[in-house]
Amino acid sequence: DTGVSQDPRHKITKRGQNVTFRCDPISEHNRLYWYRQTLGQGPEFLTYFQNEAQLEKSRLLSDRFSAERPKGSFSTLEIQRTEQGDSAMYLCASTHTGISGNTIYFGEGSWLTVV
Amino acid sequence: AQSVTQLGSHVSVSEGALVLLRCNYSSSVPPYLFWYVQYPNQGLQLLLKYTSAATLVKGINGFEAEFKKSETSFHLTKPSAHMSDAAEYFCAVSDGSGGGADGLTFGKGTHLIIQP
Repeated sequence: DTGVSQDPRHKITKRGQNVTFRCDPISEHNRLYWYRQTLGQGPEFLTYFQNEAQLEKSRLLSDRFSAERPKGSFSTLEIQRTEQGDSAMYLCASTHTGISGNTIYFGEGSWLTVV
Repeated sequence: AQSVTQLGSHVSVSEGALVLLRCNYSSSVPPYLFWYVQYPNQGLQLLLKYTSAATLVKGINGFEAEFKKSETSFHLTKPSAHMSDAAEYFCAVSDGSGGGADGLTFGKGTHLIIQP
């Protein structure tokens, strides 16, 4: 069990550029989440997948954001036409449904700075 | 809908002293409750969780938390603080469904400062 892996860990981009983050969940975890965390705040839910199906999206997820999990394993989060307000840490998490308490395990996060 | 309130955005204790981080929750269903710790520039690490078994839950690094339904609280404690405990601590509540926004809701966090 190697834990939830995220890449890249840090990304600096110019306003207007597109960025993509990748998440590899814990093996055989069928549920995957994306959260966003800004300085001084707790993580806020963005979206989640059950296997390859995207089941829920937060209102925080504007049209510039898109997430995929094509084969039910790794996931990508793309932000198009980045804005300075997108600067945050993007956290990926995973769990296996059916296990008591549905403990959600988090990755190390991907820091995005939009300049 | 669920919510979590963490009292005190910053808590400072002396090394060796008792650590008490407060968390109150609101949930329309019997909750699952979690404490996570976050070190600078890192993700969240699970400290402990309550899943309707014993009300006193022991976690890693000497931390424990007690679920009190009557007070809707799940405070985190550690008898003796260590310098390495300095970090951000998040309380979270889940309805157990694993679903999105209602699946896991976080408090705003408490920054624990350890004074030498």
